[in-house]
Amino acid sequence: NAGVMQNPRHLVRRRGQEARLRCSPMKGHSHVYWYRQLPEEGLKFMVYLQKENIIDESGMPKERFSAEFPKEGPSILRIQQVVRGDSAAYFCASSRNRGNQPQHFGDGTRLSIL
Amino acid sequence: AQTVTQSQPEMSVQEAETVTLSCTYDTSENNYYLFWYKQPPSRQMILVIRQEAYKQQNATENRFSVNFQKAAKSFSLKISDSQLGDTAMYFCAFSDTGTASKLTFGTGTRLQVTL
Repeated sequence: NAGVMQNPRHLVRRRGQEARLRCSPMKGHSHVYWYRQLPEEGLKFMVYLQKENIIDESGMPKERFSAEFPKEGPSILRIQQVVRGDSAAYFCASSRNRGNQPQHFGDGTRLSIL
Repeated sequence: AQTVTQSQPEMSVQEAETVTLSCTYDTSENNYYLFWYKQPPSRQMILVIRQEAYKQQNATENRFSVNFQKAAKSFSLKISDSQLGDTAMYFCAFSDTGTASKLTFGTGTRLQVTL
């Protein structure tokens, strides 16, 4: 009974490159959330998706960041033209339903920008 | 917008003792959910305990229990019989029951369990 799977665990990019972070939710879960954790801070909500739909992207920067959760395959968080300030741990969480079901987290992807 | 405040950046407790971590929140909602998550050095986010606001009974999970005071908007976590493996960052989180149900986290309390 696999949990939420995120890959890669660590990702190193140079400024200006693209970063792609992947998240496969737990079996039976159709709701995916992305959070960002800056060093020594709590997690901050970025975006909430259901299959093929973005439900809430109020926490995501308007430029360079995008997210998708296709009908088949994992959810992808994409960061274009990365900058040093994008260095953080990015966590994905999934739930069976919204609201009354707890969110289960993956181990996170630590993104480092050189 | 909801806010979650954890006023204790760091706490220390001796093994086998009891420690309480504080959390307050602000919301205009009447029904919502509150959570405590644990983040050990491995960086995993592990759900410790969950409380539904409409339930008056405080949630309990083995050595972990909460003191939920709805009127005061307070949600503290009590860890009994502390173990070395409890050493971690502890985050309090809030979720409403609306469309998004995103989690709003506090800044965390770093708990160190010592011998």
